[in-house]
Amino acid sequence: DVKVTQSSRYLVKRTGEKVFLECVQDMDHENMFWYRQDPGLGLRLIYFSYDVKMKEKGDIPEGYSVSREKKERFSLILESASTNQTSMYLCASSLMGRPPYYNEQFFGPGTRLTVL
Amino acid sequence: AQSVTQLDSQVPVFEEAPVELRCNYSSSVSVYLFWYVQYPNQGLQLLLKYLSGSTLVKGINGFEAEFNKSQTSFHLRKPSVHISDTAEYFCAVRVTVGGNKLTFGTGTQLKVEL
Repeated sequence: DVKVTQSSRYLVKRTGEKVFLECVQDMDHENMFWYRQDPGLGLRLIYFSYDVKMKEKGDIPEGYSVSREKKERFSLILESASTNQTSMYLCASSLMGRPPYYNEQFFGPGTRLTVL
Repeated sequence: AQSVTQLDSQVPVFEEAPVELRCNYSSSVSVYLFWYVQYPNQGLQLLLKYLSGSTLVKGINGFEAEFNKSQTSFHLRKPSVHISDTAEYFCAVRVTVGGNKLTFGTGTQLKVEL
């Protein structure tokens, strides 16, 4: 069964703290993604990775960085958390889809981060 | 760049009534289209997708959607909803060539009432 897991369901941090959000997939997928979800804004892509040690900026990368040292694990890092980073963070993974094929993105359950 | 518009942020409906959730997209190149569902406190799950071929696409849980290229729409429908369909629904697009990224709409909260 397909599985994407995220290290925490709920997380509370203080302004200025360094925050790590971890995502692990067990499907040997090449692609991994980090999104943030906010009411009225839908899902917005922060970063994605198409291979180990490879990363690309998404639509809203400011204030975030990522790390992918192993194929199955993709970490999102908030170097200095701020209150405007309070949000739901969703991780997803997919196989590398070469045209004309599409490969579905599978999502984790999300981490609800509150920055005080 | 592509974009997705879901004009209805909330849709209340009574159980066993039909429902339509609207999605319009904008893109200068050909796209794939998707509907995802998010049940409370869960991640997103693929409901259905349009890649090519028949413009009427059937998905899980009795949902279907129709791709209308001239109107750039991909509306989601179900003839008779159930309480368990209460969830948030997201429409998304992806370019057919040269990308792995999905662009999501802002979501529609479907609330099914007795």
